[in-house]
Amino acid sequence: GGIITQTPKFLIGQEGQKLTLKCQQNFNHDTMYWYRQDSGKGLRLIYYSITENDLQKGDLSEGYDASREKKSSFSLTVTSAQKNEMAVFLCASSPGSSAETLYFGSGTRLTVL
Amino acid sequence: AQKVTQTQTSISVMEKTTVTMDCVYETQDSSYFLFWYKQTASGEIVFLIRQDSYKKENATVGHYSLNFQKPKSSIGLIITATQIEDSAVYFCAMRGAGGADRLTFGKGTQLIIQP
Repeated sequence: GGIITQTPKFLIGQEGQKLTLKCQQNFNHDTMYWYRQDSGKGLRLIYYSITENDLQKGDLSEGYDASREKKSSFSLTVTSAQKNEMAVFLCASSPGSSAETLYFGSGTRLTVL
Repeated sequence: AQKVTQTQTSISVMEKTTVTMDCVYETQDSSYFLFWYKQTASGEIVFLIRQDSYKKENATVGHYSLNFQKPKSSIGLIITATQIEDSAVYFCAMRGAGGADRLTFGKGTQLIIQP
């Protein structure tokens, strides 16, 4: 088995601030994802990466940057935090095959003051 | 583009009964995979069950089963003999078979199991 670790669990920032969320996985999975979950809503894809140094934009990439410098880690940067983007950010990973499921981390809850 | 729709926002049933949650999807892919996930009150998201589009048999895992109706682009989740701990939010998701592509989620259905 493996685990996905997201840090920090809670992130509080000021409006306009640049904030970074980190994700580590020890499954040795090829693909990693960042999803955003707003209260009472589904998961929307921000960025994903199919291998080290690869980045693919999702449906919600504007206002975010991502980085995959190592196979095991995937970070997400909120370039200028806004109050309307307070949400839970979920990192996930999966093997390269489309048939494989995603494994999720426990999330980072972002609060913007 | 893919789209997944769950129209039931919330369902409440009595313990030990059977419940069905609906999901319809849209895709241009000829081959695809359909997934159901469960999100508990703690926020943890776990995979429950998968249906491969090319398989006619409905997938079954434990007390979870699927009702796959390909002509209707529908994949319902059936939970039999429900337990209190089945109370959670259930997400339907799909992914094309063309490689390591994005997983598109529905908005989720909250299931409440009453004692």
